[in-house]
Amino acid sequence: DGGITQSPKYLFRKEGQNVTLSCEQNLNHDAMYWYRQDPGQGLRLIYYSQIVNDFQKGDIAEGYSVSREKKESFPLTVTSAQKNPTAFYLCATSPVGSTKKETQYFGPGTRLLVL
Amino acid sequence: KQEVTQIPAALSVPEGENLVLNCSFTDSAIYNLQWFRQDPGKGLTSLLLIQSSQREQTSGRLNASLDKSSGRSTLYIAASQPGDSATYLCAANNAGNMLTFGGGTRLMVKP
Repeated sequence: DGGITQSPKYLFRKEGQNVTLSCEQNLNHDAMYWYRQDPGQGLRLIYYSQIVNDFQKGDIAEGYSVSREKKESFPLTVTSAQKNPTAFYLCATSPVGSTKKETQYFGPGTRLLVL
Repeated sequence: KQEVTQIPAALSVPEGENLVLNCSFTDSAIYNLQWFRQDPGKGLTSLLLIQSSQREQTSGRLNASLDKSSGRSTLYIAASQPGDSATYLCAANNAGNMLTFGGGTRLMVKP
């Protein structure tokens, strides 16, 4: 996870509260992604961005919002509309938005818990 | 829509065994197939990436094969070690580096 930082490592959300997860990268990658991982399951795509000031919904975007004002940053907000937010959230980057040869590089993750 | 399945969901083996993890996918029009490792509470680390035109890739004790026509990939781990204990995830890349992940295989290698 070198070059990609996620903060905080643990986050607690109260009922009705919006919380924001940070993802910062210094890899100079164009594309950034947010995934959600539930216990014992694979990753599901929430949002992705291939260029600054543009982003697209993934498979489970409801209850989440993002912004991409800088190439280095792709924060994810979990809104009060997300009724089951408890999960492990992973941010990833890749060098180019559409390529056949590049993998994705992952941050260390943020675990979100509901109080 | 692409669906990726991994079998088994969990596997426990004694140290030194050779083992095979399986991954199947429904849409064979993939750009590549990727294998990742995830340690508990951590992010993912890329292990192997097999292009659609390739049959296999090797890295150390790891060998991954790809059969697009049957929608299958296998990850072979030779001479397993306790340090190999982790969850292994496969992911299919269908377009624009958009990955569809399987549910993972949780591997435990006992000393």
